[in-house]
Amino acid sequence: AQKVTQAQTEISVVEKEDVTLDCVYETRDTTYYLFWYKQPPSGELVFLIRRNSFDEQNEISGRYSWNFQKSTSSFNFTITASQVVDSAVYFCALSLTDSWGKLQFGAGTQVVVTP
Amino acid sequence: GAVVSQHPSWVICKSGTSVKIECRSLDFQATTMFWYRQFPKQSLMLMATSNEGSKATYEQGVEKDKFLINHASLTLSTLTVTSAHPEDSSFYICSASYPETQYFGPGTRLLVL
Repeated sequence: AQKVTQAQTEISVVEKEDVTLDCVYETRDTTYYLFWYKQPPSGELVFLIRRNSFDEQNEISGRYSWNFQKSTSSFNFTITASQVVDSAVYFCALSLTDSWGKLQFGAGTQVVVTP
Repeated sequence: GAVVSQHPSWVICKSGTSVKIECRSLDFQATTMFWYRQFPKQSLMLMATSNEGSKATYEQGVEKDKFLINHASLTLSTLTVTSAHPEDSSFYICSASYPETQYFGPGTRLLVL
């Protein structure tokens, strides 16, 4: 069975601070995809990033960056120079390649950015 | 980009009635869609996989006779909550498979009185 753990329930920061969200996953499969989604108060899920298990290259996309390490089964996500609009719940999710589309979500981390 | 819509966005109903929620992929065909449920302050839990032209596959613990799913076309899946009760009040979200990612609908908030 798969499992996604987001140990941080809530993170509060002041605007312009960096925020790093932790995600640890468990799976016995060797091919899978990892996602980060943002859920603002409106409820709609916003796709942020996706990585597959073959690609451990870490990248930066605007103010977002991620650190994927298979050795520790971690897929951490960082928001640089946070803004008030970043306030939302962030979900890490896992999808196995042979059941593409079925997402196992973590519990979510509430990010609160204050001015 | 790919868009998934849901209708209605909000529904309030009396206990015992049935409610139908539609999920549409607006600019792409989706042979597979997924239905999730999210209770307040909780994560999303997969309820079922909706397959075009065949029966839905339900996750363990989800009552298939209570949550009827019909995927009648390549762009439409419907979830019907039959004989709804207050404990069915939740946020229902659908998603559709698209190359390299999943796109989610805006969700439907159901309140059963």
